[in-house]
Amino acid sequence: DAMVIQNPRYQVTQFGKPVTLSCSQTLNHNVMYWYQQKSSQAPKLLFHYYDKDFNNEADTPDNFQSRRPNTSFCFLDIRSPGLGDAAMYLCATSSGGTGADTQYFGPGTRLTVL
Amino acid sequence: EDQVTQSPEALRLQEGESSSLNCSYTVSGLRGLFWYRQDPGKGPEFLFTLYSAGEEKEKERLKATLTKKESFLHITAPKPEDSATYLCAAIPNDYKLSFGAGTTVTVRA
Repeated sequence: DAMVIQNPRYQVTQFGKPVTLSCSQTLNHNVMYWYQQKSSQAPKLLFHYYDKDFNNEADTPDNFQSRRPNTSFCFLDIRSPGLGDAAMYLCATSSGGTGADTQYFGPGTRLTVL
Repeated sequence: EDQVTQSPEALRLQEGESSSLNCSYTVSGLRGLFWYRQDPGKGPEFLFTLYSAGEEKEKERLKATLTKKESFLHITAPKPEDSATYLCAAIPNDYKLSFGAGTTVTVRA
């Protein structure tokens, strides 16, 4: 029944070593989002895709990139992780029909940077 | 600037002790307001969507209400399994979800 799947659940990387996080969905939703959530803070939107259209938030660092090769999959690439990038990374999807559709979240990937 | 504020930050309840969580919002044209539950180390789990003032939604021991300035999540006779962080999020005119920082609820048996 898993609808939004994130892999891996836990990722450990070294300072400056590129890392890729994966998200897949079985909902056939048009919109996919990536959020960063640090401890005891609200999720912060990094970017989202509406179909193949990429929308970057103004304050998302250039260090963060994303790819969406097809409807089901979306990737978050962190080119040179710093200690400040350690966080939970959440993927979410929505149908995109009205713009105010419910966003469904995956279980998250906890990133540790050594 | 769109802003969503949740209070209190933390709430400790005895099992069976009903209470309410507050979510006040200042956004440019509310399109919808969401409530999520988040357990430690997991992603937010969808609870409710409210679209207009006066709307109410219920699910088991939870009831969400919406006014023009705030939303409440009422927890009736909570059980220990209701312990979690409850997040509210508003969608304004630009359709970008704006989250509050959450209320962490602990229910003691």
